[in-house]
Amino acid sequence: DVVMTQSPDFLAVSLGERATINCKSSQSVFHISTNKNHLAWYQQKPGQTPKLLIFWASTRESGVPDRFSGSGSGTDFTLTINSLQAEDVAVYYCQHYYVPPYSFGQGTKLEIK
Amino acid sequence: QVDVVESGGGVVQAGGSLRLSCAGSGFTFNNHGMHWVRQAPGKGLEWLTFIWYDGSNIYYAQSVQGRFTVSRDNSRHTLYLQMNSLRPEDTAVYYCVKDAGFGTGWGYFDHWGQGTLVTVSS
Repeated sequence: DVVMTQSPDFLAVSLGERATINCKSSQSVFHISTNKNHLAWYQQKPGQTPKLLIFWASTRESGVPDRFSGSGSGTDFTLTINSLQAEDVAVYYCQHYYVPPYSFGQGTKLEIK
Repeated sequence: QVDVVESGGGVVQAGGSLRLSCAGSGFTFNNHGMHWVRQAPGKGLEWLTFIWYDGSNIYYAQSVQGRFTVSRDNSRHTLYLQMNSLRPEDTAVYYCVKDAGFGTGWGYFDHWGQGTLVTVSS
C-alpha cells in the first residue's frame, strides 16, 4: 500500500508570506496509463468539511484562488500558498489515488504567525 | 447543485452494527463512483471504501475489510455502508464522498457530505 507522509505537521506563516507544505509518497504515484501524477490536495477549515484544492498534482479545482499551486512528480509533491490570507488557516491533506487503497497524509496544520 | 447527505449515525455498543445511508442529488448518481471517508475526533482523514458507478467493483481499506460492506441503489440515488463488529476505534465522523470522475472514477473527491457521527462505546 502507498503511504503518504507530509511535512511539517504544523506551520505558522505571517500574513502575505508564502506557505509551503510537502508530501511524500512511499512509491511513485505517476501512472503511465494517464501520464499523470495521481495526487490531490484538500483544505479543511476549522469546523468544516474538506474541500478539494488541487488534483493531478497541479490542476487547480474550479473556484480555488490562484495563490494556491501544486507541484512535484513521482514521489515528492508540494502545495504552495502565496500571499497567505487569514482565511487560509486550515489543515491541509495530500491524498494519492494511484491505486486502491487510497490514502491521505497525516495533515499539516497551517496557522498565522 | 451537487449534494450528498449522510444519515444513520448514532451511538452503538462495541460489537454492534449500524448502517449508514447517503443520498445523492444534483448530479447523475449512477454515473459516479462513491467513497466513504472517516475522521476520528481530532484526527486526520482515513479513506475506507470505494464502489464503482455500477457497483461492479469495490475496494476496502485493511482496517475495515471483512467488517464493513458498501453498496448502492442507483434507482434510489443512495449509497450505503453496513458496519458490523464495531470497535471503539471506529468512532468517527463518516463522510460520503463523490468521486470526481465518471464511470469507474479517478479516486479523488470533488464533493463531500457534512458527515454523520458514529460513536462506539465500550
